[in-house]
Amino acid sequence: TQLLEQSPQFLSIQEGENLTVYCNSSSVFSSLQWYRQEPGEGPVLLVTVVTGGEVKKLKRLTFQFGDARKDSSLHITAAQPGDTGLYLCAGWENSGYALNFGKGTSLLVTP
Amino acid sequence: SQTIHQWPATLVQPVGSPLSLECTVEGTSNPNLYWYRQAAGRGLQLLFYSVGIGQISSEVPQNLSASRPQDRQFILSSKKLLLSDSGFYLCAWSGEGTGGKTQYFGPGTRLLVL
Repeated sequence: TQLLEQSPQFLSIQEGENLTVYCNSSSVFSSLQWYRQEPGEGPVLLVTVVTGGEVKKLKRLTFQFGDARKDSSLHITAAQPGDTGLYLCAGWENSGYALNFGKGTSLLVTP
Repeated sequence: SQTIHQWPATLVQPVGSPLSLECTVEGTSNPNLYWYRQAAGRGLQLLFYSVGIGQISSEVPQNLSASRPQDRQFILSSKKLLLSDSGFYLCAWSGEGTGGKTQYFGPGTRLLVL
């Protein structure tokens, strides 16, 4: 059972556009992590959010954790071709030893 | 700093052959270790995790097994590979304990079973 639902699954946009990726669950997570993965490589951690309502910024990327710690969003401003990749959200349950992953959002940014 | 290694990077194996993938972590002690499988660039399926030497938890029934002979070594094995075992295998580690720990991934092994 997939506890985290990501949307959209695929996104193809042109350079300079803005986009938002969503990660939703009915479960409460103690923290939530966002990763970016390029083909043939392991996922690379972008950010960890811990507090409900928390907002973190990483250059043109803005991450938000929902007040109830059940959902999160990733907003990219003025997307660039280098942002192309698979974006994965993953959450820790309070007593869990392992992350629960969403199925990912595949982003393609064309020049 | 901590680093995680996986090998081989790519493997092509015939159906019915054995499998051994190795993962090692440097720069930390008592890590939690994980094996994931990823199909077609989509989400990650947790296969096994370990919180200590000799302690293995299996998440999905399959013909794969895992072992942790040393604190920072995690091995994924199979006695007889199936076509459905093809995929991208990722090893990861996190700090000991439950919840809230950042998880770091290795570079992955691409396995093709023919």
